[in-house]
Amino acid sequence: GQSLEQPSEVTAVEGAIVQINCTYQTSGFYGLSWYQQHDGGAPTFLSYNALDGLEETGRFSSFLSRSDSYGYLLLQELQMKDSASYFCAVLMNRDDKIIFGKGTRLHILP
Amino acid sequence: GAGVSQTPSNKVTEKGKYVELRCDPISGHTALYWYRQSLGQGPEFLIYFQGTGAADDSGLPNDRFFAVRPEGSVSTLKIQRTERGDSAVYLCASSSTGTENTEAFFGQGTRLTVV
Repeated sequence: GQSLEQPSEVTAVEGAIVQINCTYQTSGFYGLSWYQQHDGGAPTFLSYNALDGLEETGRFSSFLSRSDSYGYLLLQELQMKDSASYFCAVLMNRDDKIIFGKGTRLHILP
Repeated sequence: GAGVSQTPSNKVTEKGKYVELRCDPISGHTALYWYRQSLGQGPEFLIYFQGTGAADDSGLPNDRFFAVRPEGSVSTLKIQRTERGDSAVYLCASSSTGTENTEAFFGQGTRLTVV
C-alpha cells in the first residue's frame, strides 16, 4: 500500500515560520508536491521537488530528501490568509498517478 | 476553458439511484485524475486517465464505480446503486504530462449527497 504521513494539525503565530513535515512509503516515487486547500475550495499547487534539496518560491520553500523518504514545506512570514490545509503528494512515476497525504490543518493565531 | 470545470457543483440523490459526474479538463491536458474527498481528509485517488485510456483504476472502491473518457477530453464518473457512504466531494484534476514540473489543476468539485 501507499503511505504518506503528515501531522494532522499545526498552530503558529502570524509573522512566524512554520514547517510541515511529510514522510512517505510508496511503491514508486518520481517527485513530491505540495498543495494548499482553503475550506470549501479546490487544492492548488504550491511546489514540486524531483531532486534532493530546497526549492524556494516567495514565502514558501519545499525540501526533499529521497534517501530519507522525507520532505517538508516551510512557510515564512505567516499571514492569516495562510490558514488552510496543506497536502503533500507523491507523483508515482513520470506520467503516472498522484497520491495525496491526509493533510495538515494550519491554524494561525494573531 | 480557462480551468477545470466540474458539473454539477452539487448533487443530491436517493440511495440506490445512478449518478453521473462530469469533468471538463483544461484544453490540451492529456492526464486526468478523479479523487474523492471526505471532510477533513486528503483527496483519495480513484482513477487516472492518460488520453482515452484508464492507465490506473486501482482506486475505484468497487464495481459500482466506473469512469470513461471516450475522446480524451471530457470525463464522466458514473456511480451505480449509490449508497450513503458514497457521499463526499468528488474532485477532478488535469495536468499536462511530459513536463518535469508536474502540476495538477483541480476543479471545484461535485458535492455528492446520498440520502
